[in-house]
Formats: sequence, structure tokens, C-alpha cells
Amino acid sequence: NAGVTQTPKFRILKIGQSMTLQCTQDMNHNYMYWYRQDPGMGLKLIYYSVGAGITDKGEVPNGYNVSRSTTEDFPLRLELAAPSQTSVYFCASSYSASGSVNEQFFGPGTRLTVL
Amino acid sequence: GNSVTQMEGPVTLSEEAFLTINCTYTATGYPSLFWYVQYPGEGLQLLLKATKADDKGSNKGFEATYRKETTSFHLEKGSVQVSDSAVYFCALSDTPGGGADGLTFGKGTHLIIQP
Repeated sequence: NAGVTQTPKFRILKIGQSMTLQCTQDMNHNYMYWYRQDPGMGLKLIYYSVGAGITDKGEVPNGYNVSRSTTEDFPLRLELAAPSQTSVYFCASSYSASGSVNEQFFGPGTRLTVL
Repeated sequence: GNSVTQMEGPVTLSEEAFLTINCTYTATGYPSLFWYVQYPGEGLQLLLKATKADDKGSNKGFEATYRKETTSFHLEKGSVQVSDSAVYFCALSDTPGGGADGLTFGKGTHLIIQP
């Protein structure tokens, strides 16, 4: 298993440009998440999904959009990049069933700089 | 809302020293507690977890005990190695699987072990 994979690893954008961060997991997990990590800070939840076709906002969703058309893929879209979106982005997944507590598996991250 | 507070870093120790990284939490429910580790340039990996009061999570010589009375989950290791140098995150979830609301993270503690 490759686990959680993310592309690209690094990207530099100009203000106002758009891009999609890709995330794929091959563990058949039902839950998927996008976090951002700013320097000296913990991770903040952007969006999450509990299954294909279902997404919901996390703590910091403004400026982002997501979709979940398949179990495996959970892309994150930035429509109009702003310097405040300079961060490291992590995708994660977990398998959740009623009453169980399972770990989240994280991808290696995408380092995004907006200039 | 939920929050996690952990000691500020960096924490610098000599090899074979005893390690404690403090973590306290505030939660509206009865959370599960986690320690994640992030090695340079990598994503987060689950180090250990505990799901109920007085549970002790352990892995790779690290331990943490869920203390409901003090709302704490301090990370300890008896003898650290240079390879333990990393950033350590305390996190909580009050829904199964880190659940529909993801995990709430502390800001992270950068641990540096000198030979």
C-alpha cells in the first residue's frame, strides 16, 4: 500500500492564480481530511469528508473548495490564491465505524507559497 | 470548543536524558487523546493514543497516561536518542476516528537531542 499520497510536493503561485492539490489514499478509508500547518502552529482543519459525495467545512474553510467523487480521491481547490494561504497542506484519512477510534494516516504534505 | 495546550519549544536534551512534554486539554465531551510525531520533511505519524481515563498509551519507549482529573496527557520517555529529534503534537478527538470534526492539535513541540 502506498498509503496517502499528495501532489505536488512544492508549488509557488502568484496572487490570484488557482490550483488543485491532489490527495489519494489506497486504504479504502471512508473519512478524509485536509489540514493546513502554519509555522509554529498546530494543524487546522480546512475540510473533511465522511464518504464519497459528502463534504463539510472545518475550522478554516474560506478560500478553499473540495470534492469527493470517489472513495480514494479528495482534491483541494484554491480559486484565487492569496499570501495568507502560504502554508503546508496535509491530507489525511481514517476508517471510522460506530464506536471505534482509529488513527488518521497523513500524507507527506504540499508546501505552497503564494507571492 | 476544544483546545490543546502543549509546552513551547524547542526542547533541547542530551542523549539518554529523561523526556517530558506536557499536554493539557479542554474538551466539551469525553475525548480520545493522541500523540503524533513529525520528522523533518515528512507527514505526521501516530505515536500513541489513549481512549479512556487512566489508559496508558505506549510505543517505541514513549508513554502517556490519560489523566481525566487533571485533563492532561503528558508524553514521557526514559532515555532519548538522537533519532527522537522531531516535532511532537498532542491532539484530541471527541468523535470516533478523529471523526467528523477531525483532530484538534496543539502547536507542537520541537525536540532536539544532542549526542
